[in-house]
Amino acid sequence: DSGVTQTPKHLITATGQRVTLRCSPRSGDLSVYWYQQSLDQGLQFLIQYYNGEERAKGNILERFSAQQFPDLHSELNLSSLELGDSALYFCASSVGEPNEKLFFGSGTQLSVL
Amino acid sequence: TQLLEQSPQFLSIQEGENLTVYCNSSSVFSSLQWYRQEPGEGPVLLVTVVTGGEVKKLKRLTFQFGDARKDSSLHITAAQPGDTGLYLCAGGSNYQLIWGAGTKLIIKP
Repeated sequence: DSGVTQTPKHLITATGQRVTLRCSPRSGDLSVYWYQQSLDQGLQFLIQYYNGEERAKGNILERFSAQQFPDLHSELNLSSLELGDSALYFCASSVGEPNEKLFFGSGTQLSVL
Repeated sequence: TQLLEQSPQFLSIQEGENLTVYCNSSSVFSSLQWYRQEPGEGPVLLVTVVTGGEVKKLKRLTFQFGDARKDSSLHITAAQPGDTGLYLCAGGSNYQLIWGAGTKLIIKP
């Protein structure tokens, strides 16, 4: 158990819909990262938050947004969903900067039908 | 753009064999991490190397960071079915991690 909690574990929805994925980092970790993993594209970095502030942005679509709350949990919002958004979405946390050890949650499997 | 290339992309071998997977770049990294991911789970960190030429051992797994800190290798001795998984390398640079696409390893009993 990494100590990072992601909910829900599975999510099935339709095109055009909006969903929210939730992540609780390990106790004491200030940084939260969101990654997308699909079969043909490996692990793609989306966005990082550090202590409530956006720290780094990767290949995150404009239809996607995220935030980190004062209690350090984070949410990833995906809107106007398309078939191609179907993927595993991982949250990871670390004490501070990403050069440190990352602890990953078990992921949310999103299926857009 | 910094890239990390992993090879091979896929490897299927028999239990007991040895293997090496590679992680290469034209860029210099301050550190190099190796993760293993099992189906349905998130990646789990195996090791971090930070010094050029550094070698770290984790039981039957040997990790090496290139002298110029541009490449790394993972060698598994006497592979076992429990070693099956996706092996990912990630290079630390400018306060971000650059990820390789992974090597999918299958060890057949």
